[in-house]
Amino acid sequence: DAMVIQNPRYQVTQFGKPVTLSCSQTLNHNVMYWYQQKSSQAPKLLFHYYDKDFNNEADTPDNFQSRRPNTSFCFLDIRSPGLGDAAMYLCATSRDSRVVEIPYEQYFGPGTRLTVT
Amino acid sequence: AQKVTQAQTEISVVEKEDVTLDCVYETRDTTYYLFWYKQPPSGELVFLIRRNSFDEQNEISGRYSWNFQKSTSSFNFTITASQVVDSAVYFCALSEASQDQLIWGAGTKLIIKP
Repeated sequence: DAMVIQNPRYQVTQFGKPVTLSCSQTLNHNVMYWYQQKSSQAPKLLFHYYDKDFNNEADTPDNFQSRRPNTSFCFLDIRSPGLGDAAMYLCATSRDSRVVEIPYEQYFGPGTRLTVT
Repeated sequence: AQKVTQAQTEISVVEKEDVTLDCVYETRDTTYYLFWYKQPPSGELVFLIRRNSFDEQNEISGRYSWNFQKSTSSFNFTITASQVVDSAVYFCALSEASQDQLIWGAGTKLIIKP
């Protein structure tokens, strides 16, 4: 089945120790997203890509970086995790809406729950 | 500014009851799209429906139905004969045409008791 895969499902890191979360997709979607979701809150968009064209949300901290080496894979790097970065990180994909000007539904991975100790 | 309000933080009903989740939105755009997503306890968000601003017909999919009313800027979601498996957090979201980013509501936690 086509899907969005996130590894690992659970990640524990120490305060200030860099961590990388990964996402892969078999849907061949052009658009990929990274969201941060804290308990009892809506997902908050951190970045999104149109293919390799990177788009950073204005309020995403510099501590968060992302890479998309190819269509299938996307990485979220947290350079110096703080306690406030503990959250669920969700990866999503969608088709590209720009040609038809209709936003497509997003397909989400199961998320990586990050704990910072 | 665009905004989505889900005023119900948590709803608890007994299985087989009908339940309606409210969603009210604000936008200045004439063309926009509304979405509902489900997030079960496992955490994976699942797309339920997309509706564009020009289509005010109600939609029914099995036990799920959606009522879109532009006059009140609402896009409410009803589950008929609820089941325990419907227990989840449900998010309403808004998007402009040609924008892939979503404006999310805060979500409504739905608890279905056996």
